[in-house]
Amino acid sequence: AQSVTQLGSHVSVSEGALVLLRCNYSSSVPPYLFWYVQYPNQGLQLLLKYTSAATLVKGINGFEAEFKKSETSFHLTKPSAHMSDAAEYFCAVSETGTGGFKTIFGAGTRLFVKA
Amino acid sequence: DVKVTQSSRYLVKRTGEKVFLECVQDMDHENMFWYRQDPGLGLRLIYFSYDVKMKEKGDIPEGYSVSREKKERFSLILESASTNQTSMYLCASKDPTNEKLFFGSGTQLSVL
Repeated sequence: AQSVTQLGSHVSVSEGALVLLRCNYSSSVPPYLFWYVQYPNQGLQLLLKYTSAATLVKGINGFEAEFKKSETSFHLTKPSAHMSDAAEYFCAVSETGTGGFKTIFGAGTRLFVKA
Repeated sequence: DVKVTQSSRYLVKRTGEKVFLECVQDMDHENMFWYRQDPGLGLRLIYFSYDVKMKEKGDIPEGYSVSREKKERFSLILESASTNQTSMYLCASKDPTNEKLFFGSGTQLSVL
């Protein structure tokens, strides 16, 4: 079964600094890898998705993620943090199941942005 | 845009009560999911459905059941609520063309 590990339950950065949120998946390469974001009192929304077409994936709001098979990683980055980026971020993978793929989530990383 | 609507934002129930959490989507998606979200544990899959009247257990189905009588509606049922089922419950439907999940705003359930 697939599993996802997010390193660091909380990450704090200053406004304008680099954002790096870490994610590792289990050893077999999943069909899809995702990053979702959850703003306070809202459901999750998709930031970006990896589908093997390209190892560097660009998402919304200036985020991007790089798939590295040798490291079983899919880390999320943003060059310059904004206050509005404060949220919880979830890495996820797809797993084959009955009727199609199901999505397995990591434990989440809460991002704090300091002024 | 896809809209996934969960009937209640906050719910307070007593131990032993039967609880229904309702979820409706408006994009004719076949796949729908129920997750619970707990601090430090992320989202854990309770049940999912890939067609009307079809359901599959997720990773933590104990104490829950589901109903999918119509394509747009997926209900989560707590047969006899317990305090350890206090949690945020998130419903999602999936676009099969890109595997993207669309989430409702969640139901924060408190079982006293």
